[in-house]
Amino acid sequence: EDQVTQSPEALRLQEGESSSLNCSYTVSGLRGLFWYRQDPGKGPEFLFTLYSAGEEKEKERLKATLTKKESFLHITAPKPEDSATYLCAVPLFLGSARQLTFGSGTQLTVLP
Amino acid sequence: DGGITQSPKYLFRKEGQNVTLSCEQNLNHDAMYWYRQDPGQGLRLIYYSQIVNDFQKGDIAEGYSVSREKKESFPLTVTSAQKNPTAFYLCASSPGDRGVAGANVLTFGAGSRLTVL
Repeated sequence: EDQVTQSPEALRLQEGESSSLNCSYTVSGLRGLFWYRQDPGKGPEFLFTLYSAGEEKEKERLKATLTKKESFLHITAPKPEDSATYLCAVPLFLGSARQLTFGSGTQLTVLP
Repeated sequence: DGGITQSPKYLFRKEGQNVTLSCEQNLNHDAMYWYRQDPGQGLRLIYYSQIVNDFQKGDIAEGYSVSREKKESFPLTVTSAQKNPTAFYLCASSPGDRGVAGANVLTFGAGSRLTVL
């Protein structure tokens, strides 16, 4: 069964303490893996799209990487403003078309 | 500025009532979507529309209805048949298929939080 799973569910870091979030997927013919950031009470905001194994993308303290089975979101020297829920999503078939299916997210808290 | 406007931001409903959530976009996007988000869970797709006057059921369409009479608008009605409607509802849009179905970046609205009393 095609699915996307994120871990850990929650992560607490001290400011400056680097770590990684994981998104594992099982899907035939990956058509992109998407990372979003969601602040409490708001809609998700797009961060990155990765399409092929080995691809990497960076934005400020965030770097996303992709393998054939999973993606990592690396956070280097995080700051309190990086606190948010990070969601990954992949297009999975729903009926005759692919639609984005989201993982349950990792809630990141960065303590000052 | 282009974006997606959802209203109301907060809504309270008595059991047995239907309520309609509004979603308007000025991004000239072809596709629009409704997702539901519950605590500790990911976003689940309720309905989506790739073109005006056409829409398809998502994973959890039971108890919901939609219409797409205009490109800019995709309202969601939560009917009394929805057994557990208390949730955070998110509307999104994307430029459309472009031949790679489901692989477009979604732009989300700020959400509507529905509480059933």
